[in-house]
Amino acid sequence: DQQVKQNSPSLSVQEGRISILNCDYTNSMFDYFLWYKKYPAEGPTFLISISSIKDKNEDGRFTVFLNKSAKHLSLHIVPSQPGDSAVYFCAATSIMRLYGQNFVFGPGTRLSVLP
Amino acid sequence: EAGVVQSPRYKIIEKKQPVAFWCNPISGHNTLYWYRQNLGQGPELLIRYENEEAVDDSQLPKDRFSAERLKGVDSTLKIQPAELGDSAVYLCASTFSRETQYFGPGTRLLVL
Repeated sequence: DQQVKQNSPSLSVQEGRISILNCDYTNSMFDYFLWYKKYPAEGPTFLISISSIKDKNEDGRFTVFLNKSAKHLSLHIVPSQPGDSAVYFCAATSIMRLYGQNFVFGPGTRLSVLP
Repeated sequence: EAGVVQSPRYKIIEKKQPVAFWCNPISGHNTLYWYRQNLGQGPELLIRYENEEAVDDSQLPKDRFSAERLKGVDSTLKIQPAELGDSAVYLCASTFSRETQYFGPGTRLLVL
């Protein structure tokens, strides 16, 4: 049973436009969410995160929105640049655990930004 | 600051052979993770260490996989014997805080 879902395997957008990547989760214990970006032959790199006490977090061109009632989050990239072309992973965890935590990853969405 | 180091980067072996992967986490990071990533999927946790203690190995196929982190720093992951289905990218990650983790470049394993 997939606890973190990214239903769009791929997405193509024009340079300068908005990219919206979606993620859904099923486990109500998750209270912290992260987005990672992965280029070919490299490990995932942390992009942005959001705690369940917030519904929006912004960092430059990247904004993550969280809808707890819908168990849904999205990553907005504005404006999109060709260098943003990568696979984006949504991950979730519970930081309320007393000792350590595990991260559960979605299957990823491949973003292609066309010049 | 050096990132998470993994070696080898690529490994091709025949089925039934043993293979080992090595990971050196970021200095000061107490928590170390080994993940397996199959093609088209996200990373899946195999084992998590807090210092030298394996605190979650519930997803590690213990009949053929083993891991160690003897001094609470670097770690090795071993498969013996390897099967065709073990072909994947094996990622190591480390963290100090509870909030994010840093990944190495991974070892791409191909079992023939």
